[in-house]
Amino acid sequence: EIVMTQSPATLSVSPGERATLSCRASQSFSSNLAWYQQKPGQAPRLLIYGASTRATGIPARFSGSGSGTEFTLTISSLQSEDFAVYYCQQYNNWPRTFGQGTKVEIK
Amino acid sequence: EVQLVESGGDLVQPGGSLRLSCAASGFTVSSFYMTWVRQAPGKGLEWVSVIYSGGSTYYADSVKGRFTLSRDNSQNTLYLQMNSLRSEDTAVYYCARDRVPTKPGASDIWGQGTVVTVSS
Repeated sequence: EIVMTQSPATLSVSPGERATLSCRASQSFSSNLAWYQQKPGQAPRLLIYGASTRATGIPARFSGSGSGTEFTLTISSLQSEDFAVYYCQQYNNWPRTFGQGTKVEIK
Repeated sequence: EVQLVESGGDLVQPGGSLRLSCAASGFTVSSFYMTWVRQAPGKGLEWVSVIYSGGSTYYADSVKGRFTLSRDNSQNTLYLQMNSLRSEDTAVYYCARDRVPTKPGASDIWGQGTVVTVSS
């Protein structure tokens, strides 16, 4: 099983600032990585797939990068609606595995 | 509109059984990989099971032998039969659709979730 480790657990950011979230995999794989956003009481929402491709309707301030074992989600200028929990997920191997999440909170 | 609607969540005693449903609209479930993901109270996301477009199924070790995922193509609905339920199965259960027909991938459509509580 591929273990996904996200850091930091919590990120305190002011609106308008840049946020950088990290996701590390215990085994290397190419680009079968997704990022999801989840707000309280809501289902997860797909932001990024293929490590770097934005899903339909996702604003350009969200970007993904990385391959191998190191992946990054960057939010270039945080808006009020971006404060949420973010999960990475690998879909390269079964079982699919998620990171434990990074909470982005208002500083 | 492309949509998934889960139902069937309830309070059940340890050792009991429950069947969750996931009704799809706007697309054909048999053309996609469909998954179940759960989230225990205050915790992160845990992948549970998948049914391939071809009909094969795969389960997380934590539910293998207890949960069974099936599909009714005529009803365009998924079913997750959960037996021998444990307190650690308490969670919100989401069904989700993989993005590309007939291929595994990221999940782009999610239901709203259904709550399963296992407690005496």
